[in-house]
Amino acid sequence: EDQVTQSPEALRLQEGESSSLNCSYTVSGLRGLFWYRQDPGKGPEFLFTLYSAGEEKEKERLKATLTKKESFLHITAPKPEDSATYLCAVQAGGSTGANSKLTFGKGITLSVRP
Amino acid sequence: DAGVTQSPTHLIKTRGQQVTLRCSPKSGHDTVSWYQQALGQGPQFIFQYYEEEERQRGNFPDRFSGHQFPNYSSELNVNALLLGDSALYLCASSPIGAPIQHFGPGTRLTVT
Repeated sequence: EDQVTQSPEALRLQEGESSSLNCSYTVSGLRGLFWYRQDPGKGPEFLFTLYSAGEEKEKERLKATLTKKESFLHITAPKPEDSATYLCAVQAGGSTGANSKLTFGKGITLSVRP
Repeated sequence: DAGVTQSPTHLIKTRGQQVTLRCSPKSGHDTVSWYQQALGQGPQFIFQYYEEEERQRGNFPDRFSGHQFPNYSSELNVNALLLGDSALYLCASSPIGAPIQHFGPGTRLTVT
């Protein structure tokens, strides 16, 4: 069974204080690892997809990296508007279809104080 | 270009009742997935529809059923509602063969 564990559960940062969010996973045949951002009461907003170990992607103050067992979301010099819940999900490859389900972690709630 | 839309936004039902939630996928997307997100948890996969058929199903009872229409829109039906069904129900769409799923704003269901 695919599993995703995110840590820490919550993170409070001062504006400008860089940090990293962790996502550990076990999956039979990784097709993709996804990071989403979710604001309270809203649907998840897609950030990144990583497909193979060693891959990195960047968007503004965010950088996602992937190894064979975990992914990190690095936040550089965060601003209060970066406050949200960050969700990690894995998708397994398989014969059931090209659009396999996403298995999510519980998310990390990030608060950035001005 | 409209994204994924869901209706209604909020819904309050009583235990034992039935509910229908609706989803319109993003333009050009033909695959629709439904997820349940309880408070403080990550989304959990319910099922996925493609070509008007259920293609994958998560660990949810038969009380949860769905449908996809020829225009790719979809419905989620839940019968015999329980208090534990209170959650944010999310719809996600993607083109077949593309891994990225785009989510709608969700429907907040409260069962009293």
